[in-house]
Amino acid sequence: AQSVTQLDSQVPVFEEAPVELRCNYSSSVSVYLFWYVQYPNQGLQLLLKYLSGSTLVKGINGFEAEFNKSQTSFHLRKPSVHISDTAEYFCARAEGSSNTGKLIFGQGTTLQVKP
Amino acid sequence: GAGVSQSPRYKVAKRGQDVALRCDPISGHVSLFWYQQALGQGPEFLTYFQNEAQLDKSGLPSDRFFAERPEGSVSTLKIQRTQQEDSAVYLCASSDRRPNQPQHFGDGTRLSIL
Repeated sequence: AQSVTQLDSQVPVFEEAPVELRCNYSSSVSVYLFWYVQYPNQGLQLLLKYLSGSTLVKGINGFEAEFNKSQTSFHLRKPSVHISDTAEYFCARAEGSSNTGKLIFGQGTTLQVKP
Repeated sequence: GAGVSQSPRYKVAKRGQDVALRCDPISGHVSLFWYQQALGQGPEFLTYFQNEAQLDKSGLPSDRFFAERPEGSVSTLKIQRTQQEDSAVYLCASSDRRPNQPQHFGDGTRLSIL
């Protein structure tokens, strides 16, 4: 079965430091990957998506991710975090061959930005 | 424009009661998804509609769970004879029919079963 694994449940980091949130996926012919952010008591907001093309994807709020087929990874990065980036982050993939199908999510990574 | 709207935001029910959760998708969005998010976990797929047709209900955990979208817009997720393990946040998402369009999520309904 297709799956997504987020390797870190919590990532503490100081404000203005760089951060990387790790995500690995199970290999398949076609892969469509997403990163979502969830603030407390809110729904999920799309940060960025990889559907095809360039392996470096830029998203909102200064985040970017790199699709690495050989390592089956899609790690999320930000060069300098803010307190306001404190939230839960979810990596997800679309199931099957369509990029608009149901999403399979990882367990989530809590990003804790400290002053 | 307006996003996905879910109501109620919070619902407390006693074990054994029936509950109904509502989702108003973004106007014109053909696809509608329901997910269940347990505490500290990622969302898990429940069911999917394309217009009024329920094309996939493979994620519904039991026959106590029922979803409908009779006119292809508003959807209702109903849980009968609720149990404590049903306590979770229920998220609704909608998307456009055009290719490459992402799912837009509502803020969810937090369901607590006592």
